[in-house]
Amino acid sequence: NAGVTQTPKFQVLKTGQSMTLQCAQDMNHEYMSWYRQDPGMGLRLIHYSVGAGITDQGEVPNGYNVSRSTTEDFPLRLLSAAPSQTSVYFCASSSVAYNSPLHFGNGTRLTVT
Amino acid sequence: AQRVTQPEKLLSVFKGAPVELKCNYSYSGSPELFWYVQYSRQRLQLLLRHISRESIKGFTADLNKGETSFHLKKPFAQEEDSAMYYCALVGVVGFNKFYFGSGTKLNVKP
Repeated sequence: NAGVTQTPKFQVLKTGQSMTLQCAQDMNHEYMSWYRQDPGMGLRLIHYSVGAGITDQGEVPNGYNVSRSTTEDFPLRLLSAAPSQTSVYFCASSSVAYNSPLHFGNGTRLTVT
Repeated sequence: AQRVTQPEKLLSVFKGAPVELKCNYSYSGSPELFWYVQYSRQRLQLLLRHISRESIKGFTADLNKGETSFHLKKPFAQEEDSAMYYCALVGVVGFNKFYFGSGTKLNVKP
């Protein structure tokens, strides 16, 4: 009963490096999303997807790319990491049925130096 | 524009005391409201949602459309309630696009 799985749990990057945060879900959820969690700012939506091949921007998309080639996977790419992207990142998924709750992964703690 | 406000960053109470975590929202429509909780070193999980009108772990929340509030209440706090609590809103139209408040850290002292 895996639910939403995120890897890695921790990552340290140097400014300018690129990396991909992985997210997979095994609940056949159509909707997947990425949030960043910063002190005093709560959770802010980065990107989301309502199905394979469909993605859209959230509140804070700059500096991040996503793709959705399968229902199960929704990777988040940082093309050129900046210190401002130091944060905890959460992937979440849900059914698109009305009022369906979000299911969260365990998070990835990213530090950019 | 949609917005969720949790005015308290930290709320400290003694065990057995009543708890009220405040949440106010703005949304031009009829939103659905949720409370999520994050215990130490655990993932965020759903606590309750207003449409269910349920009580989970002794917590309740009533949607007040006039005051645009969805405060979370518990009559007698327990130490295990210590956690981070997030109020969240999802518009009826928007494919489950959730908007979260900044969170309130509840600390229940023995």
